[in-house]
Amino acid sequence: SQTIHQWPATLVQPVGSPLSLECTVEGTSNPNLYWYRQAAGRGLQLLFYSVGIGQISSEVPQNLSASRPQDRQFILSSKKLLLSDSGFYLCAWSVGQGVQPQHFGDGTRLSIL
Amino acid sequence: SQKIEQNSEALNIQEGKTATLTCNYTNYSPAYLQWYRQDPGRGPVFLLLIRENEKEKRKERLKVTFDTTLKQSLFHITASQPADSATYLCALRDSSYKLIFGSGTRLLVRP
Repeated sequence: SQTIHQWPATLVQPVGSPLSLECTVEGTSNPNLYWYRQAAGRGLQLLFYSVGIGQISSEVPQNLSASRPQDRQFILSSKKLLLSDSGFYLCAWSVGQGVQPQHFGDGTRLSIL
Repeated sequence: SQKIEQNSEALNIQEGKTATLTCNYTNYSPAYLQWYRQDPGRGPVFLLLIRENEKEKRKERLKVTFDTTLKQSLFHITASQPADSATYLCALRDSSYKLIFGSGTRLLVRP
């Protein structure tokens, strides 16, 4: 069966520090991968999605970036975190186009101090 | 662009009653609509998908309807239980790969 892993579960970082969040998927090949951010009481904001290795689409201009070095690995990064980067970050995967549902990891709670 | 509206106020009901949650969208009718459940501190979990040519879809105690005329989907949980307490999100396809999610409605089921 397919599984998705995100780590770390929680992270506290100072303003201006770098960030690296990792997500890996097991049990499927060539998944579509997604990074979302969810503010408290708000909907999911799509940050990046990838349909293949090295293929990254950015949805929102910001100081975050994403990379997909391997088929089932998706990394969210920042060189310098801002206070506004605080939030709940979720990774998800799906297969194919169209109607397929997305499957989410358990997220990383990021607090910027 | 497509916008989704879900009631931001929590729905508080008694155990055993039917919970009904609403999802309204503003623009074009999507080919399908999905519902997810999210527990605090966890990622959303897919529940049901309904296509535009399906008026109703059922899965155990869950029922989803889709009215493209009203641009609305209703999500019902019959014989609700305290374990059903969670936030429920609806989502619409925005492009081949992207979904747009509503902000969700929190359901509280009192024992």
